[in-house]
Amino acid sequence: EDQVTQSPEALRLQEGESSSLNCSYTVSGLRGLFWYRQDPGKGPEFLFTLYSAGEEKEKERLKATLTKKESFLHITAPKPEDSATYLCAVHITAQKLVFGQGTRLTINP
Amino acid sequence: NAGVTQTPKFQVLKTGQSMTLQCAQDMNHNSMYWYRQDPGMGLRLIYYSASEGTTDKGEVPNGYNVSRLNKREFSLRLESAAPSQTSVYFCASSEERNQPQHFGDGTRLSIL
Repeated sequence: EDQVTQSPEALRLQEGESSSLNCSYTVSGLRGLFWYRQDPGKGPEFLFTLYSAGEEKEKERLKATLTKKESFLHITAPKPEDSATYLCAVHITAQKLVFGQGTRLTINP
Repeated sequence: NAGVTQTPKFQVLKTGQSMTLQCAQDMNHNSMYWYRQDPGMGLRLIYYSASEGTTDKGEVPNGYNVSRLNKREFSLRLESAAPSQTSVYFCASSEERNQPQHFGDGTRLSIL
């Protein structure tokens, strides 16, 4: 069965304290992996797409990396405005996107 | 730059009532999707439309119907609402099926 697992479920950091979020997957075939950010009461906002092992993408304080079994979202020197739930989703077939349950990130000032 | 617009934002229904959730996108995307998001379950695909004129079932289609009215609009209908359909519903669109999906801000639906 196709499965996407994110860890930890929740993470509290102090402002400036760098860390990483994990997305591990067991799927029949990977067409791509997406990272999204979701703020309370809002829909997911697209961040990155990764297609092959070894690929990396960066945006401001965020960097996403991909291996054959997992992806990491590294956050460097986070600010309170980076607080959100981060979702990863694995594209298995043209229309099938399997989402993880998300990591709720809180950055304390 | 509206992106994906969903109406209504909130709705309360009684068991057995029907309603239609509306979704429109202004990005000229070909593919559109309906998801539900429940605590501890993640986002699950209800129906999708790969292109105008086509619709297909997703992971949890029972109790729902959809209509791709034109390229811009994709509606989701609950014919006889049940408490198990209490959820947050998201519409999304993408340029093609394998491209990143862009989401609306959701409809929060409670069924009593």
